[in-house]
Amino acid sequence: EAQVTQNPRYLITVTGKKLTVTCSQNMNHEYMSWYRQDPGLGLRQIYYSMNVEVTDKGDVPEGYKVSRKEKRNFPLILESPSPNQTSLYFCASSLGLSGAPYEQYFGPGTRLTVT
Amino acid sequence: GNSVTQMEGPVTLSEEAFLTINCTYTATGYPSLFWYVQYPGEGLQLLLKATKADDKGSNKGFEATYRKETTSFHLEKGSVQVSDSAVYFCALLWGNTPLVFGKGTRLSVIA
Repeated sequence: EAQVTQNPRYLITVTGKKLTVTCSQNMNHEYMSWYRQDPGLGLRQIYYSMNVEVTDKGDVPEGYKVSRKEKRNFPLILESPSPNQTSLYFCASSLGLSGAPYEQYFGPGTRLTVT
Repeated sequence: GNSVTQMEGPVTLSEEAFLTINCTYTATGYPSLFWYVQYPGEGLQLLLKATKADDKGSNKGFEATYRKETTSFHLEKGSVQVSDSAVYFCALLWGNTPLVFGKGTRLSVIA
């Protein structure tokens, strides 16, 4: 089944404790992206990647890191989480950006709470 | 830059009522337009799309027409069901830049 998986689905952590949220897709997609969803603010893009070893900042990259060493994986890293990073996070992937245009497939979300 | 504005929610309707969720966009060229839906506890999924002016996207009884003259892509459904309760996002894609989303409109349908 074609899908985007995220782990963990739920995470409660404390300020300053490094964490990684994994994202994996099995559709051989080139484009991957991370979003955060907050009430009243909608979806805001954190980082995106057009292909392996190519990453770019989105609208709200501060406090986050990403890497794209393999095509299928795009982990989101919070080196020193703070309470304002409490949010619902979504990973997404698509074949590309321009062209078709290509549908984005979303993971089920990771609800992160930083205390 | 490119942007999407959609009507503020929440929208509450009775079953079988007519639904309209307004969406307008600003873009430098001729973007592709999308509606995504997020059911409770899930990620977003594509509902419908349109790639050029006057195109009509449709799926699951929902429709939206790409209107270049009014820069709009309003979502409509003739008769909503309780199962349509969700958050709906309008989005645009232009060139090689990432998808731009509206803030979402929460729809609640009551029996």
